[in-house]
Amino acid sequence: SQQGEEDPQALSIQEGENATMNCSYKTSINNLQWYRQNSGRGLVHLILIRSNEREKHSGRLRVTLDTSKKSSSLLITASRAADTASYFCATDPQGGSEKLVFGKGTKLTVNP
Amino acid sequence: EAGVAQSPRYKIIEKRQSVAFWCNPISGHATLYWYQQILGQGPKLLIQFQNNGVVDDSQLPKDRFSAERLKGVDSTLKIQPAKLEDSAVYLCASSLGFVTMNTEAFFGQGTRLTVV
Repeated sequence: SQQGEEDPQALSIQEGENATMNCSYKTSINNLQWYRQNSGRGLVHLILIRSNEREKHSGRLRVTLDTSKKSSSLLITASRAADTASYFCATDPQGGSEKLVFGKGTKLTVNP
Repeated sequence: EAGVAQSPRYKIIEKRQSVAFWCNPISGHATLYWYQQILGQGPKLLIQFQNNGVVDDSQLPKDRFSAERLKGVDSTLKIQPAKLEDSAVYLCASSLGFVTMNTEAFFGQGTRLTVV
């Protein structure tokens, strides 16, 4: 079953703009992670945020986590054409066996 | 460090045939995952190993899918017999495991299976 639900399903922006993707999940978690998948390739880990953290940065990425609302957002600033990919959130639910449960993803297109 | 290796990259089989996928995780990674990703969807966990023990196979269609991880290293996933709906990319991933409280997973390139 899918734990996370990304929103929007698809996003198209111009190079240089910021892109924001949201993820909502259902059960309490240990941590939440974001992954990127370029077309036809494997997933690449972007960032992990633990349940006791509220915000985390990595380069042009900013992730927030609101455990009271069971939601997270991924912000990509100053987007580039190379950021075109699908982005997935994945959660590690509490009480489990360190699972990694993925959502359906947001397909981001950055137009040059 | 070497990444997660998977083979083959592509496979085309007829329905009712059998197929096997192989995965070699990153050295020292205790946790190994197999995911199925149907086109346009997110990865769906099929089975999770901790060393050579299964910790979650609740979404594995056990009447046709099987997986093993001998000696806690390499793993194989088998489908027998295949159905048309098994057409998907099969992704293997590994992580250090819960002992380190670090679940960042490293993925292989996947095996794209087409059942005709």
